[in-house]
Amino acid sequence: QSVLTQPPSVSGAPGQRVTISCTGSSSNIGAGYDVHWYQQLPGTAPKLLIYGNNNRPSGVPARFSGSKSGTSASLAITGLQAEDEADYYCQSYDSSLSGRVFGGGTKLTIL
Amino acid sequence: QVQLQESGPGLVKPSETLSLTCTVSGGSISKYYWNWIRQPPGKGLEWIGNIYYSERANYNPSLKSRVTISVDTSKNQFSLKLSSVTAADTAVYYCASALVLRGWFDPWGQGTLVTVSS
Repeated sequence: QSVLTQPPSVSGAPGQRVTISCTGSSSNIGAGYDVHWYQQLPGTAPKLLIYGNNNRPSGVPARFSGSKSGTSASLAITGLQAEDEADYYCQSYDSSLSGRVFGGGTKLTIL
Repeated sequence: QVQLQESGPGLVKPSETLSLTCTVSGGSISKYYWNWIRQPPGKGLEWIGNIYYSERANYNPSLKSRVTISVDTSKNQFSLKLSSVTAADTAVYYCASALVLRGWFDPWGQGTLVTVSS
């Protein structure tokens, strides 16, 4: 049972838009701690996708965007491409646990 | 650009201690927070703990009694020791850096699979 809750799977056709939610609580996202997102392609290490709620590292396409409100955060992907098929994880800090926490991950399938 | 590489035994017997090392290249080990993260096969990510070269390590409460993370500045390496392992500790273990204590993980090492089995 992950501290941050994500849907196990989402899907979309090429060119469409999908969103992945990340729900936390008053001890993590709701306490104001930043949310970060990672993309994990099959058989590879996770890669930073969004940091500080809504910032893209250099090299990450503008099709990826993040937002945060209250105790939740979201990752939006527009103009879906076949190469976006991967697992996506949100991550934050939890003051009750005094440590980093991850969401359970969401598998994005391109139809 | 910092690069990280994990190394260590791929097979550990139950009840023994898992030991891994992460070698840092392209940057100083005294500049970042150094983290260990693991991923059981087919499952999600779990933060194990982190350390800054001049501070005490921080650990996931669920693993705290069995984990030790240390830094060797002379070798630009940091290490993980997990004692009394069971099959539930079988996972890909990643090392990763963070600029600040509660910041994001970037970059990550490629990961190393450790299997606990007799």
